[in-house]
Amino acid sequence: DTGVSQNPRHKITKRGQNVTFRCDPISEHNRLYWYRQTLGQGPEFLTYFQNEAQLEKSRLLSDRFSAERPKGSFSTLEIQRTEQGDSAMYLCASSRSMSEAFFGQGTRLTVV
Amino acid sequence: GESVGLHLPTLSVQEGDNSIINCAYSNSASDYFIWYKQESGKGPQFIIDIRSNMDKRQGQRVTVLLNKTVKHLSLQIAATQPGDSAVYFCAENISPGANSKLTFGKGITLSVRP
Repeated sequence: DTGVSQNPRHKITKRGQNVTFRCDPISEHNRLYWYRQTLGQGPEFLTYFQNEAQLEKSRLLSDRFSAERPKGSFSTLEIQRTEQGDSAMYLCASSRSMSEAFFGQGTRLTVV
Repeated sequence: GESVGLHLPTLSVQEGDNSIINCAYSNSASDYFIWYKQESGKGPQFIIDIRSNMDKRQGQRVTVLLNKTVKHLSLQIAATQPGDSAVYFCAENISPGANSKLTFGKGITLSVRP
């Protein structure tokens, strides 16, 4: 499968714990995006990388959230001190420059 | 503020009929639009895109129409099939070269009756 891969698919964590998600984009894609989606809503932009550079962050991305793409390939999204409001589907997408973004299957986070 | 939105939350169609899903956008600077399909528990799947220098684009069983005058986008699905049942999102991108983030609408559920 050469699509966007996200791990884990599901994560249940206790409030206050830290979690980290991984995204492996399509190999030739230099752009990588993180989105968050809650039930019944469209995906909301969180952050965007071009190669290893993080070019834009949404104000939704509080200081508890951090994303990295150290070698311009895979990316990680970490949430520290999780809150119940962080429960959502976290989606990763990748694209070549100036083309459509392809999404992964997402990581569903449940904070209990 | 500017936003992308959909007119109706749900659409129910008979199998074999054509479906039309509408979307309004308010950002006049948007120049690239995409329709995505999302099935339960899965990520959004690219259907078709259109750039602002076009008013119509056709794919396999799908057509996207863009009316920049009234800032309206529509997705037409011909001969709707049960497998088309999903949530559909329109998304806009202001300028793919400078700012590649997509802004999504809230989604419309398409339900196909057998």
